[in-house]
Amino acid sequence: TQLLEQSPQFLSIQEGENLTVYCNSSSVFSSLQWYRQEPGEGPVLLVTVVTGGEVKKLKRLTFQFGDARKDSSLHITAAQPGDTGLYLCAGAGTGGFKTIFGAGTRLFVKA
Amino acid sequence: GAVVSQHPSWVICKSGTSVKIECRSLDFQATTMFWYRQFPKQSLMLMATSNEGSKATYEQGVEKDKFLINHASLTLSTLTVTSAHPEDSSFYICSASSSASEQYFGPGTRLTVT
Repeated sequence: TQLLEQSPQFLSIQEGENLTVYCNSSSVFSSLQWYRQEPGEGPVLLVTVVTGGEVKKLKRLTFQFGDARKDSSLHITAAQPGDTGLYLCAGAGTGGFKTIFGAGTRLFVKA
Repeated sequence: GAVVSQHPSWVICKSGTSVKIECRSLDFQATTMFWYRQFPKQSLMLMATSNEGSKATYEQGVEKDKFLINHASLTLSTLTVTSAHPEDSSFYICSASSSASEQYFGPGTRLTVT
């Protein structure tokens, strides 16, 4: 059974601070997605990483895919209250396995 | 691009009645659609995977006779909650995919069964 462990589960920080969210697995993924979800809405795709070691940047967000394609991280620089939400990682397995989701990281950025 | 809509966005129904939720991919053809359930402050729980023109594949523990899924076209899938009970109250989210990796999510449907 594939598992995707996401940490931390909850994070409350002050505006301007930096943070990193991690997703780890013992399984190899063909790709990994990061989503952000606000209350009462569906998740919105932020990025897809495909290549081992890949780094993608989206404004203040930096996404990295591990060299072995088993883990990924999301780093937010100078967090803002608008970054508040639930961040989900999702891995698409190799060999036809379906996408699995991490448990999510609930981020709260205080002004 | 890659817009997915859901209807209704919220619904209140009485116990014992059935409720149908629609999921549409508006600007792309979705070979696969997924239905999720989400409890407050929790991650997504996959209920079933449906491919256009074939029967849905349900996850373990999900009653297929209670949660009827139809994927009649490449742009439309429906989830019908039959004989709803208060414990079925939840946030239901669909997603659509045209590739092996990325899924695009609908805005969700909040179901309340009284």
